[in-house]
Amino acid sequence: DTEVTQTPKHLVMGMTNKKSLKCEQHMGHRAMYWYKQKAKKPPELMFVYSYEKLSINESVPSRFSPECPNSSLLNLHLHALQPEDSALYLCASSQDGAEWVGETQYFGPGTRLLVL
Amino acid sequence: AQSVTQLDSQVPVFEEAPVELRCNYSSSVSVYLFWYVQYPNQGLQLLLKYLSGSTLVESINGFEAEFNKSQTSFHLRKPSVHISDTAEYFCAVSDRAQGAQKLVFGQGTRLTINP
Repeated sequence: DTEVTQTPKHLVMGMTNKKSLKCEQHMGHRAMYWYKQKAKKPPELMFVYSYEKLSINESVPSRFSPECPNSSLLNLHLHALQPEDSALYLCASSQDGAEWVGETQYFGPGTRLLVL
Repeated sequence: AQSVTQLDSQVPVFEEAPVELRCNYSSSVSVYLFWYVQYPNQGLQLLLKYLSGSTLVESINGFEAEFNKSQTSFHLRKPSVHISDTAEYFCAVSDRAQGAQKLVFGQGTRLTINP
């Protein structure tokens, strides 16, 4: 099973709402990632978790709050977002994340977020 | 920091024609390169990757890429494309920061297949 699942598929929220995106994998991977992808652009890395610890935060605004409750699950909590935060949010996982071996990242289908 | 450049933002070709999508990387001692494909309204899927060894790597659906150290390139090729190959293709390099791996993507090439 090489599947990464993400829920919900679509999300519409107002600027005062609080919502969460969820990502799950059952491949035994210990590294998980959040990316943001705007239309016609490449994915941009937001956060990396390795062994349930936050390793990389790419200077993401605090209105995005990641959480890794266990090695299979990754959440992204959203609060007071702006319309420019509308994008496709992709989750990915990889085997380890801590070794320099060019690991393959497996991506989920994404959550398409619209902020009104 | 590692980086990749995809030279073409769009490539239109006719069905059954050959195609080459170009990717150049920034020079480094060790480099690990990937091609990912994104079909409309989907996530990214790995097509192929180069870690070491043979400079020619192949995917199961007929794509291949050649790692060329002297030209710092990792171009993607297919001898005969199909309508179903219509997608966005991203070249990426693996970089390391703060004790973790990260993928750095090129700007993407939109491959459009015309019948």
